[in-house]
Amino acid sequence: QVQLQQRGGGLLKPSETLSLTCGVYGGSFSDFYWSWVRQPPGKGLEWIGEVNRRKTVKYNPSLRSRVTISIDMSTNEFSLRVNSTTAADTAVYYCARIKDSMDVWGEGTTVVVSS
Amino acid sequence: DIQMTQSPSALSASIGDRVTMTCRASQSVSMWLAWYQQKLGQAPRLLIYKASILEEGVPSRFSGSGSGTEFSLTINGLQPDDVATYYCQQYNNVRTFGQGTKVEIK
Repeated sequence: QVQLQQRGGGLLKPSETLSLTCGVYGGSFSDFYWSWVRQPPGKGLEWIGEVNRRKTVKYNPSLRSRVTISIDMSTNEFSLRVNSTTAADTAVYYCARIKDSMDVWGEGTTVVVSS
Repeated sequence: DIQMTQSPSALSASIGDRVTMTCRASQSVSMWLAWYQQKLGQAPRLLIYKASILEEGVPSRFSGSGSGTEFSLTINGLQPDDVATYYCQQYNNVRTFGQGTKVEIK
C-alpha cells in the first residue's frame, strides 16, 4: 500500500521561499507522475504542477514563474519550492500520485505566510 | 486555460435521495475528467476517473457520466457519510479543478 509522507511547511515571512518534500513509501516510484496541489483556507483546490522520473515537469501557468518541482529517484522523494511568497500562498499543500488522475494523496501540510 | 464550472455550489438533500451535480468545461476535455470527494479536514479522495470509471473501493452508489464539455456526478441513495465537497478536475490540458459542490443532509 503506497503512502505519501510530507515534510516541511510552517510559518514563513513574506518574500521567503516555501519548501516542501513528499516521500513515497511502499510502492513503485518510477512508473508515475507526482503532483502538488494546494488549498487556501476556505477555498477550493488548485493544481500547482507535476513531475515524472525523467524530470519532465508541468506547471500551472499562473504559478510557473515562482514554482520549481524536482524529483530525487535515489530517495523516492519529490519536492516543491515556491519563491517570493505572499499571504496569497497561505494554504494546505498536498502531494499526490498521478495514475491517470490523482489516486493517492498525502495528508497535507499547512503553510502560513505572515509578517 | 480550460475553466471548469460546477453547479450547484451547494445542495441539501435527504437520506436516500438521488443527487446529481454537474461540471462544465470551457472547451472539450474529451473523457479526461475526474471527480474527487473531500470531507472536512481531510485530503481529497478520488471517486471517478475517465469521466465514468469508478475508482476501486468507491461505493457503487456513485456514478459519473458525460464527455466533451458536460459531465455529471450522481449519488444514488445519499448517505450520511457522503457529506462532503465534491470537485471535478479536467486533465486533458494540464489540470484544472472546478470550484466544488458542497453536499449537506437536509
